[in-house]
Amino acid sequence: DVKVTQSSRYLVKRTGEKVFLECVQDMDHENMFWYRQDPGLGLRLIYFSYDVKMKEKGDIPEGYSVSREKKERFSLILESASTNQTSMYLCASSMTGGNQPQHFGDGTRLSIL
Amino acid sequence: AQKITQTQPGMFVQEKEAVTLDCTYDTSDPSYGLFWYKQPSSGEMIFLIYQGSYDQQNATEGRYSLNFQKARKSANLVISASQLGDSAMYFCAMREGGIKAAGNKLTFGGGTRVLVKP
Repeated sequence: DVKVTQSSRYLVKRTGEKVFLECVQDMDHENMFWYRQDPGLGLRLIYFSYDVKMKEKGDIPEGYSVSREKKERFSLILESASTNQTSMYLCASSMTGGNQPQHFGDGTRLSIL
Repeated sequence: AQKITQTQPGMFVQEKEAVTLDCTYDTSDPSYGLFWYKQPSSGEMIFLIYQGSYDQQNATEGRYSLNFQKARKSANLVISASQLGDSAMYFCAMREGGIKAAGNKLTFGGGTRVLVKP
């Protein structure tokens, strides 16, 4: 089974802090994704990566950056956390191929105080 | 315009009955794919079923089937013989571009919450 592991289930940070969310997958997937999930809005794509050191902006990249130095690891960075970034963050990975589903981690519930 | 629309924010269904979850989509790309995911209260996203735009038959996976009406741009999920464990949020998602499109990125709808009553 595919395993996508997010480093924290719950995280509380303060406004202005630099926040790192880590995601690791164990299935050698080319593609990795970061979403945020807010009630009524579904999942919105922040960034994705289709190869090591490659990154593409999603629909809501403002205030975020990412890093993919190794194939199995995709990090989401909040450069200066703000209260409107309080949300559930979900990481996913997939093989290349349009019929390949994305496999998700358990999510990180991030609160910015 | 919304690319994926799920018009039912929530619904109740009696155990052992079938339920249909609506999903309409908007794309001008002739090649696309539609996915359904389940999210129980524990939070993990579980892949249920996939339908490609060129697939001739409606997709089925166990108790899940997809009522794909291409001309209407709808891809409704049908869950047969509902079980208490089917209580969850359900998300419809679309991938645009051919099957070799880089990144496989998805656009999600807002979700439908299903509660199965015993």
